Amino acid sequence: KNEVEQSPQNLTAQEGEFITINCSYSVGISALHWLQQHPGGGIVSLFMLSSGKKKHGRLIATINIQEKHSSLHITASHPRDSAVYICAVRTYGQNFVFGPGTRLSVLP
Amino acid sequence: DTAVSQTPKYLVTQMGNDKSIKCEQNLGHDTMYWYKQDSKKFLKIMFSYNNKELIINETVPNRFSPKSPDKAHLNLHINSLELGDSAVYFCASSQYRDRSYEQYFGPGTRLTVT
Repeated sequence: KNEVEQSPQNLTAQEGEFITINCSYSVGISALHWLQQHPGGGIVSLFMLSSGKKKHGRLIATINIQEKHSSLHITASHPRDSAVYICAVRTYGQNFVFGPGTRLSVLP
Repeated sequence: DTAVSQTPKYLVTQMGNDKSIKCEQNLGHDTMYWYKQDSKKFLKIMFSYNNKELIINETVPNRFSPKSPDKAHLNLHINSLELGDSAVYFCASSQYRDRSYEQYFGPGTRLTVT
């Protein structure tokens, strides 16, 4: 079993829909990261959080440390949001552990 | 200006060869990383260097050797390449902020071993 799990594995949505991607982890962490990997392969860091909630444009990330769970929400989804979203945790041993990714396709 | 750059972008080579991938960052970060993304798109950390000193060395074959000539560069040398080394290799650097390290990724190097 991976130390970081994501659900769903694949997600197809219609443009405008509200999207939620979930991440759960089983190790102690100092922070959790949400990354976006574009179809072309490039990786961009979206959020880094250790508590609470962060918002950037149409993206919202939340984390519940007690439940070892984080969610990434996309409001008013758009086809350009189509990408793989990766949850990664930084452990107390200063290591990064990545989830398997969620492949999102937003249809026009 | 590219923040984290890698060369080459694509590398096709035969089994048994030795190859290097170069990484440079112009962000002034102290920490740099190498990650491997396999055919199933699963990312895994390989190495991390802080101020030219190795701080993370995951279980990778010793055919892989990182070299950090200075804080801005972290190169990856691979000896005796094997078919299973085919993957995309990402370099990254990080900035300490909000009690953790925000990652900046390079564009990746797609290595194909034939």
